[in-house]
Amino acid sequence: EDQVTQSPEALRLQEGESSSLNCSYTVSGLRGLFWYRQDPGKGPEFLFTLYSAGEEKEKERLKATLTKKESFLHITAPKPEDSATYLCAVQALSGGSYIPTFGRGTSLIVHP
Amino acid sequence: EPEVTQTPSHQVTQMGQEVILHCVPISNHLYFYWYRQILGQKVEFLVSFYNNEISEKSEIFDDQFSVERPDGSNFTLKIRSTKLEDSAMYFCASSEIQRQQYFGPGTRLTVT
Repeated sequence: EDQVTQSPEALRLQEGESSSLNCSYTVSGLRGLFWYRQDPGKGPEFLFTLYSAGEEKEKERLKATLTKKESFLHITAPKPEDSATYLCAVQALSGGSYIPTFGRGTSLIVHP
Repeated sequence: EPEVTQTPSHQVTQMGQEVILHCVPISNHLYFYWYRQILGQKVEFLVSFYNNEISEKSEIFDDQFSVERPDGSNFTLKIRSTKLEDSAMYFCASSEIQRQQYFGPGTRLTVT
């Protein structure tokens, strides 16, 4: 059973059409939740770290929020260059270790 | 802007051979990581390294794998006796503190 679930798997938006990506998690002892952007054939690019419920962070058209069970990545007025796969990862205590666990990602395509 | 570099970009090897993947982390970073991503699947944590020793490792990181920081700049992942299922993208990452990780562009390993 996946500890980190991202939805939707794929999302197509028109330029300027705002939306949200979801990352739900079932781990306990959350140490941090991370959002990354991954372009095809490249490594993940760090976007945000969230540590506690209620926390919010913003960067340009992106805003990340965190509750006790999920995180949202809100994209406001997206542009075609925002097209990428967005990855969520959680770091939590598991078997005495803090090992990061990634979700499968949401593939976002923004049409001009 | 400083970045993590990885070589080679693509490595082809025969089953049973040993491979060494190379990474040069960002110079003032203290934490180093290896991840892998099998084609079409999620990013998986392999190992983290701090103060010249392994700090965390996943179940994937068995005796077939080893890491080394042979000098002040390089961080290597050795895979002994490669198997077909080791074919994947391998990402190196580094961080100044144990939070915001910067990923390299990856090495695509193909085992034939």
